[in-house]
Amino acid sequence: SAVISQKPSRDICQRGTSLTIQCQVDSQVTMMFWYRQQPGQSLTLIATANQGSEATYESGFVIDKFPISRPNLTFSTLTVSNMSPEDSSIYLCSVGVVGRGHAFFGQGTRLTVV
Amino acid sequence: EDKVVQSPLSLVVHEGDTVTLNCSYEVTNFRSLLWYKQEKKAPTFLFMLTSSGIEKKSGRLSSILDKKELFSILNITATQTGDSAIYLCAISGGSNYKLTFGKGTLLTVNP
Repeated sequence: SAVISQKPSRDICQRGTSLTIQCQVDSQVTMMFWYRQQPGQSLTLIATANQGSEATYESGFVIDKFPISRPNLTFSTLTVSNMSPEDSSIYLCSVGVVGRGHAFFGQGTRLTVV
Repeated sequence: EDKVVQSPLSLVVHEGDTVTLNCSYEVTNFRSLLWYKQEKKAPTFLFMLTSSGIEKKSGRLSSILDKKELFSILNITATQTGDSAIYLCAISGGSNYKLTFGKGTLLTVNP
């Protein structure tokens, strides 16, 4: 299986600030995704992180709010910008690994905005 | 738009009970159905189902898919307190890695 290192594990942030979450994978990766899980809700796909180009965002998510980078095959960042309490969620990195048929998930980042 | 509906949303049982979790779906271009277990933050993979009628089994857990009726079930026999978690059902419509999730079933197993 893949080892996915996601950090930070948790953070408490002031409204109006930004937080960058990192995701590093130790295996050959085909695709990388970012999900959000709001309290009591299921996982919602934010975007597909594309290597060397702009991410592909799902309906309801925009680049200005959730800028994503993927400079190489095994590393990606998600920034949550100009945060408000509504951004308090768990953010999860997910990857598709070469030779494995299902997605793996990072440990998640629990974000609380106060 | 792809859609996944899980039932029940929550379930409380006693150790030793058997539980059945349900997942129905709508998808434009079905590729696979997956089950994950979420205990804290990170979902961990349980099963991936692509063909109807073939049961997948791992210890006390098993799952089966019905592509005609568009549903899947996850069975857990002889439940243990360690089975307490959220069980997530997801479908893949275009890529095995890009998933649409249901709301999950919160299972609580009491001693």
